[in-house]
Amino acid sequence: DVKVTQSSRYLVKRTGEKVFLECVQDMDHENMFWYRQDPGLGLRLIYFSYDVKMKEKGDIPEGYSVSREKKERFSLILESASTNQTSMYLCASKGRGSYNEQFFGPGTRLTVL
Amino acid sequence: GQNIDQPTEMTATEGAIVQINCTYQTSGFNGLFWYQQHAGEAPTFLSYNVLDGLEEKGRFSSFLSRSKGYSYLLLKELQMKDSASYLCPKGGSYIPTFGRGTSLIVHP
Repeated sequence: DVKVTQSSRYLVKRTGEKVFLECVQDMDHENMFWYRQDPGLGLRLIYFSYDVKMKEKGDIPEGYSVSREKKERFSLILESASTNQTSMYLCASKGRGSYNEQFFGPGTRLTVL
Repeated sequence: GQNIDQPTEMTATEGAIVQINCTYQTSGFNGLFWYQQHAGEAPTFLSYNVLDGLEEKGRFSSFLSRSKGYSYLLLKELQMKDSASYLCPKGGSYIPTFGRGTSLIVHP
């Protein structure tokens, strides 16, 4: 059974803290993605990676960074968390080729106080 | 990535049929996906269309017209568990493009 896992389902952090969100996939997928999802705004792409050590900015990269040191793991980093980063964060992975669907992790509900 | 257009919300009755429409910009088209997302959960894949026409998969069917930049998801014999958001991202080489999704409410 294919799987994308995320390190936490719920996370509460304070303003200014450094936050790490981890995502691991077991499907040997080249592509991995980080999205945030807010009511009325849909899924917005933060960063994606198409290979190890490769990353590209999505639509809303400001305030975030990412790391992909191993193929199966894609980390999202909030250098200094702010209250407007309170959101649901979803990781996804996808095989090479436009016809392949994305597999999503269960999401991390992050609250920044 | 906001070149996908879907209705924000739809309501339907249990047992009925509902059609959720999706229009998209035809540039850079590489197929169209449909995903279902229940509240508080991750999206799950429903279908992928790259050629014109209707593809049926049980109670769910998906239609595509490439020349019109138009797709729809048809849900038959609606069940309460079909209450969810439905997303229709346009496929791309690396990055599917998502819209805001359609929230479907099924009532008894």
